[in-house]
Amino acid sequence: DTGVSQDPRHKITKRGQNVTFRCDPISEHNRLYWYRQTLGQGPEFLTYFQNEAQLEKSRLLSDRFSAERPKGSFSTLEIQRTEQGDSAMYLCASSLLAGGPGTQYFGPGTRLTVL
Amino acid sequence: AQSVTQLDSHVSVSEGTPVLLRCNYSSSYSPSLFWYVQHPNKGLQLLLKYTSAATLVKGINGFEAEFKKSETSFHLTKPSAHMSDAAEYFCVVSDLRNTGNQFYFGTGTSLTVIP
Repeated sequence: DTGVSQDPRHKITKRGQNVTFRCDPISEHNRLYWYRQTLGQGPEFLTYFQNEAQLEKSRLLSDRFSAERPKGSFSTLEIQRTEQGDSAMYLCASSLLAGGPGTQYFGPGTRLTVL
Repeated sequence: AQSVTQLDSHVSVSEGTPVLLRCNYSSSYSPSLFWYVQHPNKGLQLLLKYTSAATLVKGINGFEAEFKKSETSFHLTKPSAHMSDAAEYFCVVSDLRNTGNQFYFGTGTSLTVIP
């Protein structure tokens, strides 16, 4: 257990529905990341927050995706009008801002299946 | 741009024999390199990291990796495989120019350990 938790662990939804995932990072970590992992691939960066500010978004993050970290603690990732191509594992990670690339601690992920 | 190539998608070894998982990276700047392991239905766990200190890095569970700048490689090794080492392994690169510190993952190497 890394100390990063995600909820739910599994989500099955029908195409067109909205879904929301939650990530609780390690409490003192000020950076929070979202990644997406599809079968047979490594995780791909989606977006990251430093405290409550969303500082970068990947081109993978279409306008159907939105992420928030309202108080600089937990974060939510919402997908609107889900498509079958959204089926993947969504991973959250947190790290402590340091002088250089710091270790990221990953949660167990939320597996999304879109029918 | 940063990228990682994991040269083998699958590696199979007998229990008690050495493990070698190969990784080549591309980075125009001083990279930080990581190896993570992912067991089925578990989150990504950090094995070891290189951040411009000693080029031979020792990690958990007897794993180590050597940073070779001239070869742009960061191969993961273990002298003697154990059944519990069977998992998916990811090589990751990040660098100091990358203010977001997002990770770039390889596609993973699946390690099978034969009893």
